[in-house]
Amino acid sequence: EPEVTQTPSHQVTQMGQEVILRCVPISNHLYFYWYRQILGQKVEFLVSFYNNEISEKSEIFDDQFSVERPDGSNFTLKIRSTKLEDSAMYFCASRSGQGAHQPQHFGDGTRLSIL
Amino acid sequence: SQQGEEDPQALSIQEGENATMNCSYKTSINNLQWYRQNSGRGLVHLILIRSNEREKHSGRLRVTLDTSKKSSSLLITASRAADTASYFCATVVGGGYQKVTFGIGTKLQVIP
Repeated sequence: EPEVTQTPSHQVTQMGQEVILRCVPISNHLYFYWYRQILGQKVEFLVSFYNNEISEKSEIFDDQFSVERPDGSNFTLKIRSTKLEDSAMYFCASRSGQGAHQPQHFGDGTRLSIL
Repeated sequence: SQQGEEDPQALSIQEGENATMNCSYKTSINNLQWYRQNSGRGLVHLILIRSNEREKHSGRLRVTLDTSKKSSSLLITASRAADTASYFCATVVGGGYQKVTFGIGTKLQVIP
């Protein structure tokens, strides 16, 4: 069964550095998402992406965050200048365009640790 | 309170028993989904119930939805040690790009 893949599985970065998290969604899916989960807390929506543009973003997704789908297969999340509070698991998800009742499929996440 | 709140937050049962988890939400929804998360892993979709459905089954899973009470329940019958995980309800608003809001989850432990 096709799946969403995320790399790296664990990223350690110094505070203030830029980080790029990568995702390969399921091919032929049209909707793409990023979520984060701070340790012990619930999964929080960051951003949704459709037709090469952001369709919705949360308050968490400030100017330090950006997303891109550079080549039709990868979907990336960039954090420009990381802060300690950015430490979390980041999940990518994708969904097909076939109707409103298709679930989102999640990757296994990237654990981001900011030092 | 927040959209998609599960209770209990933690549940410990013996293998073979049934586990029931509840979820309450506040706004109108398009559908409600349940996901499972093993420790340190991603979210695995279990079951989706549309706003016009009242009950749905999938294997040992049974989900109910009461839109008048804005609540849902997930029942796992004949639990197994492998069912040990966190379970999240997720409410979905919107038909296109959809906004999914997760609850805080129920941590289920099934004791062999």
